Amino acid sequence: QVQLVESGGDLVKPGGSLRLSCAASGFTFSDYYMSWVRQAPGKGLEWVSYLNYNGSIIHYVDSVKGRFTTSRDNAKNSLDLQMNSLRVDDTAVYYCARGVKMDVWGKGTTVTVSS
Amino acid sequence: DVVLTQTPLTLSVNPGQSASISCKSSRSLLHSDGKTYLYWYLQKPGQSPQLLMYELSSRLSGVPDRFSGSGAETEFTLKISRVETEDVGVYYCMQALSLYSFGQGTKLEIK
Repeated sequence: QVQLVESGGDLVKPGGSLRLSCAASGFTFSDYYMSWVRQAPGKGLEWVSYLNYNGSIIHYVDSVKGRFTTSRDNAKNSLDLQMNSLRVDDTAVYYCARGVKMDVWGKGTTVTVSS
Repeated sequence: DVVLTQTPLTLSVNPGQSASISCKSSRSLLHSDGKTYLYWYLQKPGQSPQLLMYELSSRLSGVPDRFSGSGAETEFTLKISRVETEDVGVYYCMQALSLYSFGQGTKLEIK
């Protein structure tokens, strides 16, 4: 079945780095834009980044520009989010979502930035 | 940046009654291709968000027809007729015309 599974979340100190991954299955991954969306504890949804079918077009929310890098490997059906210079306010559940419509979401992976 | 403002932030409804959630955009979400890039999601307690409506008024396959989306340009409404207990959660509008942004969310409770 169509599925997205995020991994890589962890507890990290401010200034540290983390790499999240999203494994896709059950659909033709290269046919879809992909996005990262996060949700801080008790807060609403915040779009983080998206990239187009082959990763040639990538956009980020202003608060992560220069710190986060998203990429995809269509041969491996995977989406990554490299997060550097992490801040306390990056603490959130990070979801990957499929397509412009974001019609399929993973269960999320938790990133905690704390000293 | 496109800002979406949802009202109310909390909604308490008796089962069987209807509920409406408003989403107002800081700019028109009508694209030159004729589509309005406004979406509605429901996040049930402890779950990931799920898409309900896309491009203003199209219902995702499997979503009950009790859910309907309407509006134009900058003002949009999600209506739930005959609310059921399974409808509880937080509803978000989202725009995809200019990058992406979400509304603050509206929590639906059952009385």
